[in-house]
Amino acid sequence: AQSVTQLGSHVSVSEGALVLLRCNYSSSVPPYLFWYVQYPNQGLQLLLKYTSAATLVKGINGFEAEFKKSETSFHLTKPSAHMSDAAEYFCAVTLNTGGFKTIFGAGTRLFVKA
Amino acid sequence: DGGITQSPKYLFRKEGQNVTLSCEQNLNHDAMYWYRQDPGQGLRLIYYSQIVNDFQKGDIAEGYSVSREKKESFPLTVTSAQKNPTAFYLCASRPTGTNYGYTFGSGTRLTVV
Repeated sequence: AQSVTQLGSHVSVSEGALVLLRCNYSSSVPPYLFWYVQYPNQGLQLLLKYTSAATLVKGINGFEAEFKKSETSFHLTKPSAHMSDAAEYFCAVTLNTGGFKTIFGAGTRLFVKA
Repeated sequence: DGGITQSPKYLFRKEGQNVTLSCEQNLNHDAMYWYRQDPGQGLRLIYYSQIVNDFQKGDIAEGYSVSREKKESFPLTVTSAQKNPTAFYLCASRPTGTNYGYTFGSGTRLTVV
């Protein structure tokens, strides 16, 4: 069965430190992968997406993610955290299985310490 | 600017009442979706529609109903059959095709009083 696992429901970093949010997926067909960000009481906003064109994907706000097929991973990184990055982040996979079903991970809340 | 408008932002429901959440988009997207978000559980799909006058049940459709009479509109009704309706509800849309991400609305927080 297809699934998305985000390791760590909470991640805390200091301002200026590296941000690493982990996402692993399970899929029997080539996936399309996405990262979304959600600020409190708001909807989700697309950060970046992988659609097989390039394994390293750059998104908005300085985030990037690398697709590693051998590790079935799509981890999100940012070299230097900013206070405004504090939010919840969701990894998602969309599968072309006759209905374009999207599966979301449970989310990782990022805390940024001053 | 194009986008998705959800209303109201906050909604309170009494026991036994039906309530309807509005979702309107001006992005000309074919597909529209309703998700429910509970703390620590990510997003769960309630209903989706890929074309006008057609919609399909998602993973947790019981106690909910939808309609898609216009391309721009996809209202969700939370019926009295939904026993635990308190949650954050998100509407989303996207063009047809797997390599497009969703555009989300800003959500409606429903509370049972």
